Amino acid sequence: AQTVTQSQPEMSVQEAETVTLSCTYDTSENNYYLFWYKQPPSRQMILVIRQEAYKQQNATENRFSVNFQKAAKSFSLKISDSQLGDTAMYFCAFVNGSSNTGKLIFGQGTTLQVKP
Amino acid sequence: DGGITQSPKYLFRKEGQNVTLSCEQNLNHDAMYWYRQDPGQGLRLIYYSQIVNDFQKGDIAEGYSVSREKKESFPLTVTSAQKNPTAFYLCASSSPAYNSPLHFGNGTRLTVT
Repeated sequence: AQTVTQSQPEMSVQEAETVTLSCTYDTSENNYYLFWYKQPPSRQMILVIRQEAYKQQNATENRFSVNFQKAAKSFSLKISDSQLGDTAMYFCAFVNGSSNTGKLIFGQGTTLQVKP
Repeated sequence: DGGITQSPKYLFRKEGQNVTLSCEQNLNHDAMYWYRQDPGQGLRLIYYSQIVNDFQKGDIAEGYSVSREKKESFPLTVTSAQKNPTAFYLCASSSPAYNSPLHFGNGTRLTVT
């Protein structure tokens, strides 16, 4: 069975600094997608970034980037120049490419607090 | 604006009563999903539907039921058989492709006493 693990329940960072959130996953599949979602206090889930497993190049979206290590099954999220609005819960998620559905498997989440 | 609407935002019920959570989308998405969120456990899939009049159980379907009579609507009923119904429920939709991101509603907080 596929699993997603986020080992950091809570983290904090000073405004304007950089923080990295960890995520590991377990799968025997070779074709899959990985996602990071953000859930601010409003509880609206927002897609932050996604990575195709067959792409070696790490995905980047403005201040957000990932470090995708396929062999290690690691998918960490780096937030640069942290802003107060980045305060949220962050979820790592996995979808199996052979499942032909959008069924995501989520990690437990990491609560990030950005301090002024 | 296109999006997913969940109603109500907060719902209170007495133990032993069935309750239905509403989810409507105008994104023209074929696939819809229901997730349950509990503290420290992330999101867990309850049911999903890839097409009208068809749906499949997720990882924690026991005590829940759904219907998909219209493309736009995917209501979730929490039955009295669900042992721990108090939770935050999120509805989502997506295009059929497996790599399409999920679009989420704002959620419904259900409290059963």
